[in-house]
Amino acid sequence: GDSVTQMEGPVTLSEEAFLTINCTYTATGYPSLFWYVQYPGEGLQLLLKATKADDKGSNKGFEATYRKETTSFHLEKGSVQVSDSAVYFCALDFTGGGNKLTFGTGTQLKVEL
Amino acid sequence: DTGVSQDPRHKITKRGQNVTFRCDPISEHNRLYWYRQTLGQGPEFLTYFQNEAQLEKSRLLSDRFSAERPKGSFSTLEIQRTEQGDSAMYLCASSDRGQGVDQPQHFGDGTRLSIL
Repeated sequence: GDSVTQMEGPVTLSEEAFLTINCTYTATGYPSLFWYVQYPGEGLQLLLKATKADDKGSNKGFEATYRKETTSFHLEKGSVQVSDSAVYFCALDFTGGGNKLTFGTGTQLKVEL
Repeated sequence: DTGVSQDPRHKITKRGQNVTFRCDPISEHNRLYWYRQTLGQGPEFLTYFQNEAQLEKSRLLSDRFSAERPKGSFSTLEIQRTEQGDSAMYLCASSDRGQGVDQPQHFGDGTRLSIL
């Protein structure tokens, strides 16, 4: 079945450091890919998405590129802030977001001053 | 846009009791989803509705789990005869499917279930 694999956390960075959170997927066909973020005490929020190969999703300084050849969707940010501390989830589905999402296990990011 | 609302935020109950959770989606959204999230894991899909029709329920964890959306607005998730393993966060999400295009899901803050 479909699955998503994320790098394990926690990832601890200093403020202004470069961030990469790896995400790879296994799926039949070509899914849509998403990054969701969960801040402490809050619900999941959509961070960015990409619906086809080579698409780049971006939001709030975060970027991820849909790589079909490596079945990956790595999340990057050039300069993290303390306020980026949260749990990040990679997810996929086949209908652009309208059907059941398959999530990875999440990666906790801690950003320190 | 008032967001997806879930009630209660936290439910504590004894093993063997029945529990019911409520979800109010974003008002113009016609799709509603239920997920379960256990500690250290990502959300796991359970079931979803388009308006009042339950389009998939094969992922409900057992016949003790059931969900309804009787008028195509709010939804309830019921767990009968709760067990220790049911302790988890139960998440609701909603989305809009208009003109054949699916929009991303918006999540509520969840209901945390604790079984004593």
